Amino acid sequence: SAVISQKPSRDICQRGTSLTIQCQVDSQVTMMFWYRQQPGQSLTLIATANQGSEATYESGFVIDKFPISRPNLTFSTLTVSNMSPEDSSIYLCSVEDLGGDTGGYTFGSGTRLTVV
Amino acid sequence: AQSVTQLGSHVSVSEGALVLLRCNYSSSVPPYLFWYVQYPNQGLQLLLKYTSAATLVKGINGFEAEFKKSETSFHLTKPSAHMSDAAEYFCAVSTGSSNTGKLIFGQGTTLQVKP
Repeated sequence: SAVISQKPSRDICQRGTSLTIQCQVDSQVTMMFWYRQQPGQSLTLIATANQGSEATYESGFVIDKFPISRPNLTFSTLTVSNMSPEDSSIYLCSVEDLGGDTGGYTFGSGTRLTVV
Repeated sequence: AQSVTQLGSHVSVSEGALVLLRCNYSSSVPPYLFWYVQYPNQGLQLLLKYTSAATLVKGINGFEAEFKKSETSFHLTKPSAHMSDAAEYFCAVSTGSSNTGKLIFGQGTTLQVKP
């Protein structure tokens, strides 16, 4: 199974600033996904990032607010821009993982973001 | 478009009692369905997945789920609850043509286990 390293694990940020979250995978994967989990809520898909193409954003999420990079098959970043307290959430990356016993998806441990 | 609905945001059972967490799905293609568990302040752990091989799927920690196409359901059960089962449970459907593609999650069900 793929192993994901997600950084930072948590951060406290001032409103109006930006935070970039990194997702490093130990194997090459085609599809990477970014999710948001607001306090007490379920996971909502922000966007799908494929290497070599622009990320595909879900309804309610825009590139200006959540720019994503996918420079190669093992790495992606999500930036949360111009943050407000409403952005306080856990952000998780996930990859399509056709090997191992993860059910087809592996999740990072998440970045717990608090905006003050 | 695929979607998932979990009935009951909170379920409370006594230790040793049957656990039943409900999940209904909507999908225009044969679905791939998943149950995940999330313990407090931890990441997601796969309990089990349905990929059309068998309608009754056995997972980890004594959990199982039955795919019922006629009812568009994929309910999660465990015969006897344990205190350690207290957690958040998510049902999810894959939008891909196989068991890949993006995952769409249900709202989640918090399981409380009383002594």
